[in-house]
Amino acid sequence: DVKVTQSSRYLVKRTGEKVFLECVQDMDHENMFWYRQDPGLGLRLIYFSYDVKMKEKGDIPEGYSVSREKKERFSLILESASTNQTSMYLCASSLLQDSYNSPLHFGNGTRLTVT
Amino acid sequence: AQKITQTQPGMFVQEKEAVTLDCTYDTSDQSYGLFWYKQPSSGEMIFLIYQGSYDEQNATEGRYSLNFQKARKSANLVISASQLGDSAMYFCAMIWIRTRKLIWGLGTSLAVNP
Repeated sequence: DVKVTQSSRYLVKRTGEKVFLECVQDMDHENMFWYRQDPGLGLRLIYFSYDVKMKEKGDIPEGYSVSREKKERFSLILESASTNQTSMYLCASSLLQDSYNSPLHFGNGTRLTVT
Repeated sequence: AQKITQTQPGMFVQEKEAVTLDCTYDTSDQSYGLFWYKQPSSGEMIFLIYQGSYDEQNATEGRYSLNFQKARKSANLVISASQLGDSAMYFCAMIWIRTRKLIWGLGTSLAVNP
């Protein structure tokens, strides 16, 4: 089974801090994604990556950046955390760049609170 | 505009009964796919089932089946013989094959009563 591991389950940070959310997948998937999930707003795509060192903006990239130096690892960076970035963050991966029916495999999520 | 709607914020079902979770979508494209995911309270989103717009038969995976009605633009998830472990949030998602863009419904919370 594919395993997507997010480094932290819960995280509490202060406003203005730089925050790193780490995600690792163990099945050699090409595609990796970062979503945030908020009540009433559903899942919203922040950034995604189809290959090492490649990144594409999703629907809500403002205030975030990403890094993919190795195929298995996709990091989400909050350059200067703000309270409106308090949310559940979900990392996901999928197998093939051109395969539209490859399901996403998700990690357990990181619940980030910014105070 | 492309949109996915899950009209039932919450549902209850008795253990061992079947339940249908609704999902309707709005698109003018002919090529798309529909996914259903389950999110238990632990937080992990779990893929359940996929249906392509050109698939002639409804998708099935164990106790999950997808009631796909293309003309009505609906892709309802049917769970047969509900179990207590089925209590979770369920999300419908749609992917446009041309753009690979994926959008999500807001989810339905299912509670299975013993």
